[in-house]
This record gives sequence, structure tokens and C-alpha cells, in this order.
Amino acid sequence: DGGITQSPKYLFRKEGQNVTLSCEQNLNHDAMYWYRQDPGQGLRLIYYSQIVNDFQKGDIAEGYSVSREKKESFPLTVTSAQKNPTAFYLCASSPVREPGELFFGEGSRLTVL
Amino acid sequence: QKEVEQNSGPLSVPEGAIASLNCTYSDRGSQSFFWYRQYSGKSPELIMFIYSNGDKEDGRFTAQLNKASQYVSLLIRDSQPSDSATYLCAVNRDSSYKLIFGSGTRLLVRP
Repeated sequence: DGGITQSPKYLFRKEGQNVTLSCEQNLNHDAMYWYRQDPGQGLRLIYYSQIVNDFQKGDIAEGYSVSREKKESFPLTVTSAQKNPTAFYLCASSPVREPGELFFGEGSRLTVL
Repeated sequence: QKEVEQNSGPLSVPEGAIASLNCTYSDRGSQSFFWYRQYSGKSPELIMFIYSNGDKEDGRFTAQLNKASQYVSLLIRDSQPSDSATYLCAVNRDSSYKLIFGSGTRLLVRP
């Protein structure tokens, strides 16, 4: 089955720690994204990548970092510089021909203790 | 003013009724419009997209776009309790990779 796999599903972190969220897709999509969702809010774009070894900042990139070494993988690191990291993190991919047609993973829920 | 605005709801309709969800956007250059459904605690899934003025139908769903008035709506006919979810409107300009989402409207379909 084609899809996007995110892990871990739930993650608890102490303040001051970096954490990395995994995202793997087998849809053969070139574009991948990371969104953040807070309760009662829409999705806000953190980073996106149109092609391997290239990525761009979204609207709320501060305190986050990404890499895109393989087409299938787009991990997100939440660094200690991110002031309010507790949120629901969603990875997505899309075909290049229509970036708005997003396919989402199941999400990773990060809680900072 | 938010770039994409939706009434947060909840919008409550009885089973079998038509649910009408509305979305307005501020950027006149917007060209692509999307509706995503998100069940509580789950990730969003794309249900409709529309690019041209007018109506687009897909089963029980109809998307309506009026670029002059800068609004897009989603109609759900014969609403079912399983349609109870939050519906997110998203807007794109020039096939940009930066899709702009509204905060969503929560729909509750009463049995």
C-alpha cells in the first residue's frame, strides 16, 4: 500500500532536548512538507521540499530543521530553540503537478514536559 | 484579516439535511481551492478541489467557487453522522507550494 509513514505517533520531551520526527513516503512524490497544527487551528507550514537536497522555509521555520537526502524521506528536528513545541505535527507529500493535493501521514503528537 | 477565513462552528445539521460550509479568502490572485476533511485526532484528507468559477460535483459533495466575491463553499447532501468532522478550506496561488489553510469548520450531523 502506498502512503506516508510518520513516527513516532506520540513523543514526550523534556525542555531543552532536540527531537527528530521521521517521515517516509512511497508514493513517488517529489514534494514533501511539514505542517504544525495547534488545537482549534488550521495547519501552518514549517518547511517544504520540492526535490532531493533542497528545501525552503515555510511560515514558522524558526526552531526547526529538516533534511532531504532521499526522495522518500523528510525528517524534521524540533530543536530546543522552538519556544512552544507542543503540537500535532503532520508530514505530507504531493505530486509536482498540483502542490495543493496533499497526502498526509497519521501525524506525530509532541508534548513537552 | 486572516488570509483564509472559516466559521469555526460547530455547524449542527440533522441527518439527511444539506450541510453548507463556507470559506472566504483575501488574495485575489488565488487560483486553486481545496477542501480537506479531518476527523478528531486524525490527519486531514483531501475531498474536493476546484479551480474554475461555478460548481463541481463529486457524489454527495459539491464545491462552489465565486472568485469575484472571493468565497468558496462546500455542500454536503444527505448528510450522515459519519460526515461529522472538521472541514478545512485551503487556497493556493500560482501552484505555489505554500498552501494557505483556514482554521476549519466543525460539522456535527445529528442522527
